[in-house]
Amino acid sequence: KAGVTQTPRYLIKTRGQQVTLSCSPISGHRSVSWYQQTPGQGLQFLFEYFSETQRNKGNFPGRFSGRQFSNSRSEMNVSTLELGDSALYLCASAGTSTYEQYFGPGTRLTVT
Amino acid sequence: GQSLEQPSEVTAVEGAIVQINCTYQTSGFYGLSWYQQHDGGAPTFLSYNALDGLEETGRFSSFLSRSDSYGYLLLQELQMKDSASYFCAVLYSGAGSYQLTFGKGTKLSVIP
Repeated sequence: KAGVTQTPRYLIKTRGQQVTLSCSPISGHRSVSWYQQTPGQGLQFLFEYFSETQRNKGNFPGRFSGRQFSNSRSEMNVSTLELGDSALYLCASAGTSTYEQYFGPGTRLTVT
Repeated sequence: GQSLEQPSEVTAVEGAIVQINCTYQTSGFYGLSWYQQHDGGAPTFLSYNALDGLEETGRFSSFLSRSDSYGYLLLQELQMKDSASYFCAVLYSGAGSYQLTFGKGTKLSVIP
């Protein structure tokens, strides 16, 4: 079974721009979660989508948004980028057990 | 809200045993998961405890005490490849679904 894939793997953007990241979950997984990872801050939860609906949302500003398509693929968008948005963005999918999430390799976003 | 505490760094000798502790304050607590992340890699699921006690998976064991809001990951017969960051994550119920919140991680360095 193919794992979680994320594109692009690396991205460099300028402050004020917007960016869209993509995630394809493991086949059959309907839950997709997004996390932001920065040094010393661990994995901070952004949001979770399940069957095209946002099921949970973390404590991030409205500049961070996402969506999920009928094939469970998910996208995350960040508008008006700030330097502090530089991070590794991880996507994870889960089947019936939310406690066992399968992570993609991440997208390394650098904002200059 | 949810809060988790784990040591930021731990160093141990190859072949030895190391314990990584995790304390949490969580409403709607359901269980505790552990994940491993090597530098440059994606987090991978190690174990999950919903009930008090010890769960063993090869060289790794995980323990939970719900009354003490405490858990730990025990790594035996340490190998150099165990050098990685280890995250505890609480599974809790809220807003009609389950959600996973991660701690900030413990960086384990295994030395010869």
